[in-house]
Amino acid sequence: NAGVTQTPKFQVLKTGQSMTLQCAQDMNHEYMSWYRQDPGMGLRLIHYSVGAGITDQGEVPNGYNVSRSTTEDFPLRLLSAAPSQTSVYFCASRAQGYGYTFGSGTRLTVV
Amino acid sequence: RKEVEQDPGPFNVPEGATVAFNCTYSNSASQSFFWYRQDCRKEPKLLMSVYSSGNEDGRFTAQLNRASQYISLLIRDSKLSDSATYLCVGFSSGSARQLTFGSGTQLTVLP
Repeated sequence: NAGVTQTPKFQVLKTGQSMTLQCAQDMNHEYMSWYRQDPGMGLRLIHYSVGAGITDQGEVPNGYNVSRSTTEDFPLRLLSAAPSQTSVYFCASRAQGYGYTFGSGTRLTVV
Repeated sequence: RKEVEQDPGPFNVPEGATVAFNCTYSNSASQSFFWYRQDCRKEPKLLMSVYSSGNEDGRFTAQLNRASQYISLLIRDSKLSDSATYLCVGFSSGSARQLTFGSGTQLTVLP
């Protein structure tokens, strides 16, 4: 049981490049979310999903897209990377009524 | 005003001390609360849920005061390994149905 798996762990992008952060969970959780964490800002919700085929925007969705074609996978796509997107990104999943289990994070630097 | 607010600290306490963190929330519709622990450069991990009647897990005690809209975490007999950032988290149903994280309180337990 791997829990929540995120790849890559580290990434450096040039401004304007696009990329996809991968997230997979093997716990059959309905709910999945993407957060970004910046110093002094805490965790901020980017996008979330309450089940396969259902996604919605969180607090800071601009510049990001998501899709949820299966229960297991919830990739986050950066459309055109900007330095303001330099952050640590966490994917998380949970079953109804429980707290989130987080992946180990992706440290993204945009130069 | 942030939906969940915490004193950022840092709290520096000697080993064996008792330390308490408070957290206030502004959304009276918040239904559930959690405390998460986050070690440096790691993902947040669920420490414990918070119940209205208060709950204890070993050296950790969590309390919820709905009338005053605050949550507390008490750590007794602090260990060096308790050094981390503690995140207060609220959950409310509705359109978001997501967790809202406080910015965290940093604890350092000193030998």
